Amino acid sequence: QQQVKQSPQSLIVQKGGISIINCAYENTAFDYFPWYQQFPGKGPALLIAIRPDVSEKKEGRFTISFNKSAKQFSLHIMDSQPGDSATYFCAAGDTDKLIFGTGTRLQVFP
Amino acid sequence: DAGVIQSPRHEVTEMGQEVTLRCKPISGHNSLFWYRQTMMRGLELLIYFNNNVPIDDSGMPEDRFSAKMPNASFSTLKIQPSEPRDSAVYFCASSSPDRDRGKLFFGSGTQLSVL
Repeated sequence: QQQVKQSPQSLIVQKGGISIINCAYENTAFDYFPWYQQFPGKGPALLIAIRPDVSEKKEGRFTISFNKSAKQFSLHIMDSQPGDSATYFCAAGDTDKLIFGTGTRLQVFP
Repeated sequence: DAGVIQSPRHEVTEMGQEVTLRCKPISGHNSLFWYRQTMMRGLELLIYFNNNVPIDDSGMPEDRFSAKMPNASFSTLKIQPSEPRDSAVYFCASSSPDRDRGKLFFGSGTQLSVL
């Protein structure tokens, strides 16, 4: 099975709070786990990505936590800002092919 | 670089009509992907090409859907005949696995409405 399950479907966070989005995958052959950010009317854009040889990757306010044994990974957005309001997609796959989750719509209120 | 270019941005058609969506990948990218986005199913991979050759079309929903990549700078996704349930946003993406392994560059999408 090649599904990637993502939760929650939507998330409302106060400015300055922490946003957490979770994903689970099934195929143990996957070796690349990116997160994409999509603003209305635009295509998704790569935000941050991790490979299974590390358990955490941080870029600015964005952190991916990866649990290989549980086949789960999550995105943490620290100090969430209104400009972070967007739809976030997790994905899993290999060099050639990515399977995306169903997306999380994040709204950050001032 | 202009990025991935898709046309048209919006397409409104009637059930039964043929629809053709177009994509120009980023120059130098040798992988091209067609995705469909809906509220219910998120981003679904329809088909992808590597060096203009279709590698995996298992996501193409029905025989009504077909895709071609006649050269490295152009691809089409065709729906014939179109049905209301085909209404969605269709994205094209390209990548260069040799340079940016796993990083997809998406176009702005085509919003398709089938009445």
